[in-house]
Amino acid sequence: AQSVSQHNHHVILSEAASLELGCNYSYGGTVNLFWYVQYPGQHLQLLLKYFSGDPLVKGIKGFEAEFIKSKFSFNLRKPSVQWSDTAEYFCAVNTVEGGADGLTFGKGTHLIIQP
Amino acid sequence: NAGVTQTPKFRILKIGQSMTLQCTQDMNHNYMYWYRQDPGMGLKLIYYSVGAGITDKGEVPNGYNVSRSTTEDFPLRLELAAPSQTSVYFCASRPDKNQPQHFGDGTRLSIL
Repeated sequence: AQSVSQHNHHVILSEAASLELGCNYSYGGTVNLFWYVQYPGQHLQLLLKYFSGDPLVKGIKGFEAEFIKSKFSFNLRKPSVQWSDTAEYFCAVNTVEGGADGLTFGKGTHLIIQP
Repeated sequence: NAGVTQTPKFRILKIGQSMTLQCTQDMNHNYMYWYRQDPGMGLKLIYYSVGAGITDKGEVPNGYNVSRSTTEDFPLRLELAAPSQTSVYFCASRPDKNQPQHFGDGTRLSIL
């Protein structure tokens, strides 16, 4: 079964700082990769996704992620964070072939942006 | 277009009670999912469905049941509520396996 590891459980940054959140997955086959954001008290919203093609994907709100297949990684980046980026961020994967359906999530990274 | 709608938003149950968490989507999506989210953890898949009449277990199905009689609705049932089922429950849907999932607003359930 696949698993997802997010390295940083809590991150605190100042506004305008650069952000990189790590995500690694374990699965030998083809995967689709996602980053979701959850603002306090709200449901999960899709930030960006990778299915195939260019490994550098751009999402909403200035976020981007790079899929590095050899490292099984899909790190999330933003060059300059804002106070409104304070939220919980989840990396998720689903397998393209075989296995149970549904997403496998990492445990999440709680990001706090200080003004 | 309402998307994925979950009811109720909050509920408190006593141990041993039963209840059904409702989920409906108006996007004609074939795939529907139930997840639970515990503090400090990511979401874990409880059950999923790839179409009306078809359901299957996810990672943590024990203590839950589902049915899918229509494309729109995917209710989750707790037969004998236990404190370990205190969690936030999210329903999600997507049109096919190669599209991202759309999530509902969640149901916060406490078992006392």
